[in-house]
Amino acid sequence: ETGVTQSPTHLIKTRGQQVTLRCSSQSGHNTVSWYQQALGQGPQFIFQYYREEENGRGNFPPRFSGLQFPNYSSELNVNALELDDSALYLCASSRIAGGPLEQYFGPGTRLTVT
Amino acid sequence: GNSVTQMEGPVTLSEEAFLTINCTYTATGYPSLFWYVQYPGEGLQLLLKATKADDKGSNKGFEATYRKETTSFHLEKGSVQVSDSAVYFCALSVSQGAQKLVFGQGTRLTINP
Repeated sequence: ETGVTQSPTHLIKTRGQQVTLRCSSQSGHNTVSWYQQALGQGPQFIFQYYREEENGRGNFPPRFSGLQFPNYSSELNVNALELDDSALYLCASSRIAGGPLEQYFGPGTRLTVT
Repeated sequence: GNSVTQMEGPVTLSEEAFLTINCTYTATGYPSLFWYVQYPGEGLQLLLKATKADDKGSNKGFEATYRKETTSFHLEKGSVQVSDSAVYFCALSVSQGAQKLVFGQGTRLTINP
């Protein structure tokens, strides 16, 4: 069984640029959630995708957007990068949406905005 | 709203010591409760979970009991090892639309040999 994978591992961007992060969900999972983890903090929920539709969103501005593809992989896009966007971005997959189910996390993408 | 409060860290113990990391929560509805562990440079791994009151989650010698009356889910281990050094996150999930996890701030644990 293949786990959750994310790419790239690290990247460095300049303030004002745009970035796309990618996630492949675990085999058999149809829901993907994205979290932002600032240094020394717990992860914060950005949004969740189920059946290619946004299924819920945390307190993040519209410049954070996403996609889910028919194979359940997902992208997180961030426009107009700000210094505070520097963080570890975690993707998590789960089997179905709406229930108290386990989420399985990928290793994360470390984004640095300069 | 939903929130999780964890014991302030960092926590430093000697090998074979008893471990308790406190976690309390505030939630609307009936949350499921989780402990996740994050090793250096890695993502989060699910350590254990409990989905209803009085359930006990256990894994790798770690245990936590879902206490509704005290809104707590404290993590315990009888004898820690150096390999347990990591950051531990308590989290809750409530099924209201999106199944999202709400995390505490994390507790860094260091075990000395």
